[in-house]
Amino acid sequence: QKEVEQNSGPLSVPEGAIASLNCTYSDRGSQSFFWYRQYSGKSPELIMFIYSNGDKEDGRFTAQLNKASQYVSLLIRDSQPSDSATYLCALEGGSYIPTFGRGTSLIVHP
Amino acid sequence: DVKVTQSSRYLVKRTGEKVFLECVQDMDHENMFWYRQDPGLGLRLIYFSYDVKMKEKGDIPEGYSVSREKKERFSLILESASTNQTSMYLCASSPLWTGASSQLEQYFGPGTRLTVT
Repeated sequence: QKEVEQNSGPLSVPEGAIASLNCTYSDRGSQSFFWYRQYSGKSPELIMFIYSNGDKEDGRFTAQLNKASQYVSLLIRDSQPSDSATYLCALEGGSYIPTFGRGTSLIVHP
Repeated sequence: DVKVTQSSRYLVKRTGEKVFLECVQDMDHENMFWYRQDPGLGLRLIYFSYDVKMKEKGDIPEGYSVSREKKERFSLILESASTNQTSMYLCASSPLWTGASSQLEQYFGPGTRLTVT
């Protein structure tokens, strides 16, 4: 059984700070890693994915993957109150069945 | 603009009733998924389908069945609803894995909040 672990939070950061969200996983065979954002009462939406070790940047978001240490992170620079949401980490192993973490709640306060 | 729609946002059913949840996508995606989401438990996969008339069990298939007669439509069926099936049900679709994309590039519908009394 693949497992994806996330700290449930809430993670509270001031507006303008860097928010760092972390995810660890148990299956070394996992190939693809995804971050979804879910606002309260809404469905998840894909914000980033990463396949290779290292960093991947998209605007204010940076995904970091370290397969040797089995963790993936999401950094949000210049955090805004509109970034307040639950962030779900997800991975896909060789079976193509997705596994989601339980999510980390982020609160960005003015 | 990609779109996944679900037949109802809110649904209230009685114990023992047969319940149908419908999902339609207009993106010509091969893969479709049904999840339930509960506080503290996250997203759990019930069933998924990678082609018309094909289905695979997810992590929690007990008490559910699915139907995919057309590519764009994936239905979740609760044969005999029970109170422990009260939950938020989310449908998602994704394109075929090509190496450049992934089955986890999922697009979610708005969800159906089902209450079984």
